[in-house]
Amino acid sequence: EVQLVESGGGLVQPGGSLRLSCGASGLTFRSYWMHWVRQGPGKGLVWVSRINHDGRTINYADSVKGRFTISRDNVKNALYLQMNSLRVEDTSVYYCASSGDYAPGLGYWGQGTLVTVSS
Amino acid sequence: QSALTQPASVSGSPGQSITISCTGTSSDVGGYNYVSWYQQHPGKAPKLVIYDVTNRPSGVPDRFSGSKSANTASLTISGLQADDEADYYCNSYTSIGTLLFGGGTKLTVL
Repeated sequence: EVQLVESGGGLVQPGGSLRLSCGASGLTFRSYWMHWVRQGPGKGLVWVSRINHDGRTINYADSVKGRFTISRDNVKNALYLQMNSLRVEDTSVYYCASSGDYAPGLGYWGQGTLVTVSS
Repeated sequence: QSALTQPASVSGSPGQSITISCTGTSSDVGGYNYVSWYQQHPGKAPKLVIYDVTNRPSGVPDRFSGSKSANTASLTISGLQADDEADYYCNSYTSIGTLLFGGGTKLTVL
């Protein structure tokens, strides 16, 4: 069974930083694209970023480009999202997702971690 | 980039069929056969129900089907069941290598 478990969410002040992690099991992590998707309170899904299997191809949504950095560790089966210069509008549940065999679709999802940006 | 366009809500009675549309541009929906659909129940993570426009992951009932014409993709659910009541989101690959979600559609089973 594929499991993706996010951690690192919490309360941070505007302008602050936070690093999210996602641990993966039950899949050949090093073979697949990985993504971050977020969902604001009562709002829809918003794609944030993706990284290919070896970390050499990375894409970002315009809303986070230059502030967020995605990375992965294929030895630890882990995905990361470094979030800097956080804004109130970044407040969301952040989901880690793997394409699996469904790329560019998102076949597997974690349960999400809540990031709250507030003073 | 602006979100793909979906109706805010649709409804249907048990046993009926409904269709949810997802409209984009030639730079996303119309340019690639990489549209996927997700089902999300309240408080839960999204679940993939259709990928590459028409394909179903294993375990997804064949009541769920997808199609595309020009810049508009569609998700059809036939034989509506109470558990189908959820939010549905479309997603497309784009010409700049990003992904783009629709605004979401709330399905109510009457």
